[in-house]
Amino acid sequence: QATLRESGPALVKPTQTLTLTCTFSGFSLSTSGMCVSWIRQPPGKALEWLARIDWDDEEYYSTSLKTRLTISKDTSKNQVVLTMTNVDPADTATYYCARTLVILHYATDVWGQGTTVTVSS
Amino acid sequence: QSVLTQPPSVSGAPGQRVTISCTGRSSNIGEGYDVHWYQQLPGTAPKLLIYINTNRPSGVPDRFSGSKSGTSASLAITGLQAEDEADYYCQSYDSSLRGYVFGTGTKVTVL
Repeated sequence: QATLRESGPALVKPTQTLTLTCTFSGFSLSTSGMCVSWIRQPPGKALEWLARIDWDDEEYYSTSLKTRLTISKDTSKNQVVLTMTNVDPADTATYYCARTLVILHYATDVWGQGTTVTVSS
Repeated sequence: QSVLTQPPSVSGAPGQRVTISCTGRSSNIGEGYDVHWYQQLPGTAPKLLIYINTNRPSGVPDRFSGSKSGTSASLAITGLQAEDEADYYCQSYDSSLRGYVFGTGTKVTVL
């Protein structure tokens, strides 16, 4: 059974860099067809897709945030890290990491519980 | 501003049928990209409800069904139950944005 858990700071100051870690179990990101995505949800608003990293190290980013995001993986630790530079209060949101499967045509089938990040001075 | 538009809210009495539309354009649903649907119960993470337009993951009741036609997709809930009160989101890929997009979200209320 796949599970994912997000971790990171609850409060970040504007202009700082946010680093979020996704620790997962129950699957391997070195297995063909496995991917991990990051999605966020500002308070009271809709979901927003941020980035995805695949088993073959391919990386994909939201066009609007591409210049500020970096996604990476450590297969041996079963972790995926998302960094976001130059954060702004508009980046206040719950951040989810989730497993995405090629076999499901990139549907996201298992989600973490989410971690809430507030950007404020 | 999302490229997938959903009605902000729909409601129905227990036992009724409700549908949620997801209107896209030629660069996403209209170009043939698949649509997935997620259910988000209050205060919880989203859950995959429908994948590849019409398929239900194991454990999802057959009261939920998905369809796709042209530049739109729909989620139908038949035999509405109180436990179906949640936010629902569609998702697809957009070739002009070169990324995945979620719909604006629909809140389902059971009267």
